[in-house]
Amino acid sequence: GAVVSQHPSRVICKSGTSVKIECRSLDFQATTMFWYRQFPKQSLMLMATSNEGSKATYEQGVEKDKFLINHASLTLSTLTVTSAHPEDSSFYICSARDLSQARHEQYFGPGTRLTVT
Amino acid sequence: GNSVTQMEGPVTLSEEAFLTINCTYTATGYPSLFWYVQYPGEGLQLLLKATKADDKGSNKGFEATYRKETTSFHLEKGSVQVSDSAVYFCALVYGNNRLAFGKGNQVVVIP
Repeated sequence: GAVVSQHPSRVICKSGTSVKIECRSLDFQATTMFWYRQFPKQSLMLMATSNEGSKATYEQGVEKDKFLINHASLTLSTLTVTSAHPEDSSFYICSARDLSQARHEQYFGPGTRLTVT
Repeated sequence: GNSVTQMEGPVTLSEEAFLTINCTYTATGYPSLFWYVQYPGEGLQLLLKATKADDKGSNKGFEATYRKETTSFHLEKGSVQVSDSAVYFCALVYGNNRLAFGKGNQVVVIP
């Protein structure tokens, strides 16, 4: 149980285009999902907290107009990288909290590798 | 602020060797502490956790003790297997269930 999927697993896009990444909780409901970014040999950096039915909460320094987050249902959150540039190339990871489980338990997706050319 | 520091560099060791990965933290108060593991091609999985000082988390032969005196949560395993090869992340929780991670350590176990 407690599986989180991400789609796509990797994507290559041209500079200036937008890319949407999906995060789904497959067998549980999640009112809260988190989006992280990971650079090579670096830790995961929290970008934003996605709340079902309300606006996302962004961490300091993260451009909310650049990284659009929509949490449309209890099992789906999407991250759209708008007008992507090469510096947006990174590994994006989502996690989801199971409503029915321990307070701090988060389940992670396998990540999406974004390359902007 | 809230941050986690892990020892630098990958860890390479032989099967059945003793593994230690150091983790220290900076935080307001006494947050819950975690070790996550990421196997190749998979998402992060919770390995173990400790919610208060002197607690010992354990799972799959791995252990870590919450030491508030040294603000540490070092991960140990007495006899590693090839299947333990993965990346290990230390983390703490703060704010509204937000996690702060260390940089991670790649562990390679050689047969």
